[in-house]
Amino acid sequence: RKEVEQDPGPFNVPEGATVAFNCTYSNSASQSFFWYRQDCRKEPKLLMSVYSSGNEDGRFTAQLNRASQYISLLIRDSKLSDSATYLCAVTRPYNQGGKLIFGQGTELSVKP
Amino acid sequence: ETGVTQSPTHLIKTRGQQVTLRCSSQSGHNTVSWYQQALGQGPQFIFQYYREEENGRGNFPPRFSGLQFPNYSSELNVNALELDDSALYLCASSFSRTDGLVSYNEQFFGPGTRLTVL
Repeated sequence: RKEVEQDPGPFNVPEGATVAFNCTYSNSASQSFFWYRQDCRKEPKLLMSVYSSGNEDGRFTAQLNRASQYISLLIRDSKLSDSATYLCAVTRPYNQGGKLIFGQGTELSVKP
Repeated sequence: ETGVTQSPTHLIKTRGQQVTLRCSSQSGHNTVSWYQQALGQGPQFIFQYYREEENGRGNFPPRFSGLQFPNYSSELNVNALELDDSALYLCASSFSRTDGLVSYNEQFFGPGTRLTVL
């Protein structure tokens, strides 16, 4: 089982739709949680850090459920420009190397 | 833009050759992490450098090595290239606390170097 797993894609949605991405992690001691966006053949760009209290940035809402070991990303009123691959990433605790572990990514395609 | 730069942007090598990739970190950051991203996969952690020393390593063989310089820039060296080394190599810049414990702060990526091994 991979340490970080995401919904297999691709997701094809119409403009204006609400889309949710889920990501599970297996290491219960994981410390920090992030969502990155990656456009085709480009580098990942940090979209949001994810906190236990949940956080929102415009149309984007991220949630963390430590008990169930999953994080989610909700995109409301999706735009054509939201088309990209969304990567979740989890940090191991420092006594386990502290490295950032990525999921395989979920591709989103928003259609007119 | 993140302020993290990488060079070169593209590189073509043949099997058995050696390659050096370079990364300049964002101003104010002291930690550089390197990742390998194969097509259709998420980035895989190679290693991290803090204060010019390796500070964590992923499941990569010793022919993957690195350096960090006093200005926090970094190099990734790969010896004896194999076909499977073809990938996008990303460096990420972040800030670590002075006690040396790995930072949980956000990491910001450079544009990557696309390596093709023939």
